[in-house]
Amino acid sequence: EAEVAQSPRYKITEKSQAVAFWCDPISGHATLYWYRQILGQGPELLVQFQDESVVDDSQLPKDRFSAERLKGVDSTLKIQPAELGDSAMYLCASSPQAQETQYFGPGTRLLVL
Amino acid sequence: QKEVEQDPGPLSVPEGAIVSLNCTYSNSAFQYFMWYRQYSRKGPELLMYTYSSGNKEDGRFTAQVDKSSKYISLFIRDSQPSDSATYLCAIPNQAGTALIFGKGTTLSVSS
Repeated sequence: EAEVAQSPRYKITEKSQAVAFWCDPISGHATLYWYRQILGQGPELLVQFQDESVVDDSQLPKDRFSAERLKGVDSTLKIQPAELGDSAMYLCASSPQAQETQYFGPGTRLLVL
Repeated sequence: QKEVEQDPGPLSVPEGAIVSLNCTYSNSAFQYFMWYRQYSRKGPELLMYTYSSGNKEDGRFTAQVDKSSKYISLFIRDSQPSDSATYLCAIPNQAGTALIFGKGTTLSVSS
């Protein structure tokens, strides 16, 4: 069964450092999402891609976060510089098209010290 | 008011119990509703979705939507220890694309 892949699974970094997360969606899925899930909360959308284009990044803190999906396949989410409040689970999801079922990866758990 | 409200629990029940998980939502324009299950340290997985008011059943799970009250429920019959997880209700945003999640209710089923 096809799955969304994410790496790394865990990342510990010091504040002010740069971190990057990678996501490989299910093959053929045009829509890719990055969500952030703080402990005890539900996931919240950071950015949504349709193929290589950003559809919604209204909740992405653009002063420190960036996301790209250059070839419309895999995607990278970067934080620079990391802050203590960025400690969370970063989830990637994909769907065949927008408004279809979203499939989530296992997430990257980030701890900023 | 948040768009989706969910009591985070935690909820502890003995094996075999009937579990009721609930969410309320604020926007009457929402058309379909989902329940995701998230095991510890894993990503959410879709459990059930429904487009309309009424009940939808899948094995031991029943999803119920009451649009007049803006209330959605998930019932688990004959709960099992393997049902121990966090259950998240989710509703598509106004554009119908990304999902708005509740906080999640953590369920523990003891044997």
